[in-house]
Amino acid sequence: QSALTQPRSVSGSPGQSVTISCTGTSSDVGGYNFVSWYQEHPGKAPKLMIYDVSQRPSGVPDRFSGSKSGNTASLTISGLQAEDEAEYYCCSYAGNNNVFGTGTKVTVL
Amino acid sequence: QVQLQESGPGLLKPSETLSLTCSVSGFSITSGYYWGWMWQPPGKGLEWIGSINHSGSTYYNPSLKSRVTISVDRSKNQFSLKLSSVTAADTAVYYCTRGGAGSRPGTFDYWGRGTLVIVSS
Repeated sequence: QSALTQPRSVSGSPGQSVTISCTGTSSDVGGYNFVSWYQEHPGKAPKLMIYDVSQRPSGVPDRFSGSKSGNTASLTISGLQAEDEAEYYCCSYAGNNNVFGTGTKVTVL
Repeated sequence: QVQLQESGPGLLKPSETLSLTCSVSGFSITSGYYWGWMWQPPGKGLEWIGSINHSGSTYYNPSLKSRVTISVDRSKNQFSLKLSSVTAADTAVYYCTRGGAGSRPGTFDYWGRGTLVIVSS
């Protein structure tokens, strides 16, 4: 199972919105509504930001939102803040397997 | 508050078996969920290794299945990872997590801090 494809980097100014795409196949992203997103700051453990495509865990700001269309899932960060600068990974269930994305570096300009 | 903590040797020689243990506090493994392992080679992305539940039902990443064994110790509220025949390519930060199968496929909601394992002769 190949890694899901994410852009290497995206950037935006404070207050702007950025969207990260996560492209897979019908065997993973397109086949199940089990896509999650993780935020990783340097030297820290990843943090769950979105699960089941669009659900936010308690404590995650509502400016983080998720969606899916076909084989591509997306994470949108609205009202970008300095603390959002981090690496973001998507993950999809793939039938008794879990596949991660290649990772996207979000830079706040 | 659910907390996970990895422990185990940080340095191995090629061909040895990597053994890590994850101690869970704030939640009983027997209460449910799957419990899993991830790895992240230096400067690279995350990869799921496998997950286990309290009854010992396991799911493994097909690409690692031949070398991986995950087990659970309900009495100690711990679960463990063994990875055989390690090479330098297995050098990575290893995380233990909650999730990956059952009611939460594709979701990992709690993570340990991670432990760096280096494979070098």
